[in-house]
Order: sequence, then structure tokens, then C-alpha cells
Amino acid sequence: DQQVKQNSPSLSVQEGRISILNCDYTNSMFDYFLWYKKYPAEGPTFLISISSIKDKNEDGRFTVFLNKSAKHLSLHIVPSQPGDSAVYFCAASARRTGANNLFFGTGTRLTVIP
Amino acid sequence: AAGVIQSPRHLIKEKRETATLKCYPIPRHDTVYWYQQGPGQDPQFLISFYEKMQSDKGSIPDRFSAQQFSDYHSELNMSSLELGDSALYFCASSLSGGGNTEAFFGQGTRLTVV
Repeated sequence: DQQVKQNSPSLSVQEGRISILNCDYTNSMFDYFLWYKKYPAEGPTFLISISSIKDKNEDGRFTVFLNKSAKHLSLHIVPSQPGDSAVYFCAASARRTGANNLFFGTGTRLTVIP
Repeated sequence: AAGVIQSPRHLIKEKRETATLKCYPIPRHDTVYWYQQGPGQDPQFLISFYEKMQSDKGSIPDRFSAQQFSDYHSELNMSSLELGDSALYFCASSLSGGGNTEAFFGQGTRLTVV
């Protein structure tokens, strides 16, 4: 049973425009959310995170929004750059239970077109 | 900065053989996680260790075992290998002790069972 879902397997965006990647989760115990970026043949690289006590976290061109009532989060990249082309994984954990293991979504492949 | 080191990077084994994957966490990180990513799939949590004790267990087959040693490195032992075990195996490490700490991933070991 997939507890973290990324319903868009791929997304193409023009360079300079905004990329919006979406993620939904089902487990109400999740209280910490992360986005990882993955290039082929490499391990996931941590990008940005958000705790459930917040609804927004911003780091440079990357902003993550959390809507707890909808169990939905999104990653905004603006402006998008060709180097952002990668697979983006949403992940969640239920740290309030004492567990730190991550549950991953299936990923969204972002292609930024120059 | 030192990252998570996994060895070997690639491994080819025959059915019914055994394999041992190694993970060296980031210095001072005390928690290690193992994930399995099958072709076209999202990473699936296998098992984690904190201070040399198993902390969480996910979808790890009984044919697999793992441990964390006194220097915090971890080994994943896989026996009676099956074709379906062919996957990328990622190790991640983090520093516990409260707060929201991210897991940092190694580059993975690609296991091919033939």
C-alpha cells in the first residue's frame, strides 16, 4: 500500500518558468516531509524538508508547501534551470512515533527545456 | 565533506549465492538505513539501525540480515539470492538526537542476480 504518492510520473517545463511537483500522503502520523533529487546511477540527494508545524519552507529557488488538511505537499522551483532535470522523490516519516525511516513516493521525472 | 560510502558499487551474483553489501555512514552519524529500489520503482525501506541496535524493520526478506558495527558501518547480508533481488540498494545515514535531521544517501550498490 503506497502511503506516499506522486501521481505525475513526468513533467516538462520551459527554462525560466516555474516547476510544480505534487505529492499526496495517506498516513496521518507523518509529521516530517522531504524532497530528494536523484540523478541516474546516483543516490537520492536531499533537497528541502518541512515539518508538519509549518506550511511553507523556502530555500533559494525551492519552496515546499504543506497542506495538512489535504495531506498534500508540493515543491515549487522557480526559475527552473536545465540542471534541475532529474527525478524528484517526495518522502515522509512519522517521527512522532520514534521512527525515522522514510516512505518514498514513486518519483516525478522533471525535464527543464532550455 | 565526507559522504555515505557504499561498496561495492556493482555486484553480479548467481541464483542461490550470497552477497554482502557494505555501508560506511557519514562520520558521527549514528543511524543507518537500508533501502531497495527495483527497476522503475521507488526506494523501499528494508531496515535501520541506531547505535548498533535494530531500530525499524520494513519489507526485508527473511533471507536478508543486517547489522551495524561498533564503528557504525553496516553490512547487509543476502542469502539464497533470487532473480527478483536484482535492484539498487541504497544506504543512508543520519544523526539522531532530536530535531529534524535529514538522511543522506550513498550512491548505491547495483546488485544483478543472474
